[in-house]
Amino acid sequence: AQSVTQLDSHVSVSEGTPVLLRCNYSSSYSPSLFWYVQHPNKGLQLLLKYTSAATLVKGINGFEAEFKKSETSFHLTKPSAHMSDAAEYFCVVGGWMDSSYKLIFGSGTRLLVRP
Amino acid sequence: EAQVTQNPRYLITVTGKKLTVTCSQNMNHEYMSWYRQDPGLGLRQIYYSMNVEVTDKGDVPEGYKVSRKEKRNFPLILESPSPNQTSLYFCASSQSPVGPLHFGNGTRLTVT
Repeated sequence: AQSVTQLDSHVSVSEGTPVLLRCNYSSSYSPSLFWYVQHPNKGLQLLLKYTSAATLVKGINGFEAEFKKSETSFHLTKPSAHMSDAAEYFCVVGGWMDSSYKLIFGSGTRLLVRP
Repeated sequence: EAQVTQNPRYLITVTGKKLTVTCSQNMNHEYMSWYRQDPGLGLRQIYYSMNVEVTDKGDVPEGYKVSRKEKRNFPLILESPSPNQTSLYFCASSQSPVGPLHFGNGTRLTVT
């Protein structure tokens, strides 16, 4: 069985400070892991994807995530927040279950960036 | 421009009145999928399609139908909408189920 937990429903940071959005997953097999971002009134956009290559994954807009198997975590980070980063972020785990590929979405973390 | 187009963006309807939300993609993707987004629940898959004429249920298919007669189109049909189907709906496509999804901008449906 697969599941994903985003540990914070809301995160607030000041512009220019680091961002940390936390995600823990559970999977019976080697999962694929994704982070998507959703800006207001828009669809989701892929930030980055992990598929068992390098454990540190670099994405768009300066975001990166580190896959830690021992901690079953895939936290999203950015060294310096920008106002345009304010959005909702979804951690997603993907894998084959019962001969179909399933994506399980976390409940989302809303990032607020203060000026 | 590569995109997934959903229509309409907003829809208000009454209980029991059949409606269709259209979805079209111009990327020649094999895989298409419908999700609903509700506060605190993330996105849940309604139906998906691996290719033309091949569709299957997702996690919350009750009350919905889909069809895939052409590769580019994947409409979502609510035969008899009910208030618990009030939600934000997203269509998505990708070259395969494991590929990154490309999402439409969403359809906000209200059923009164």
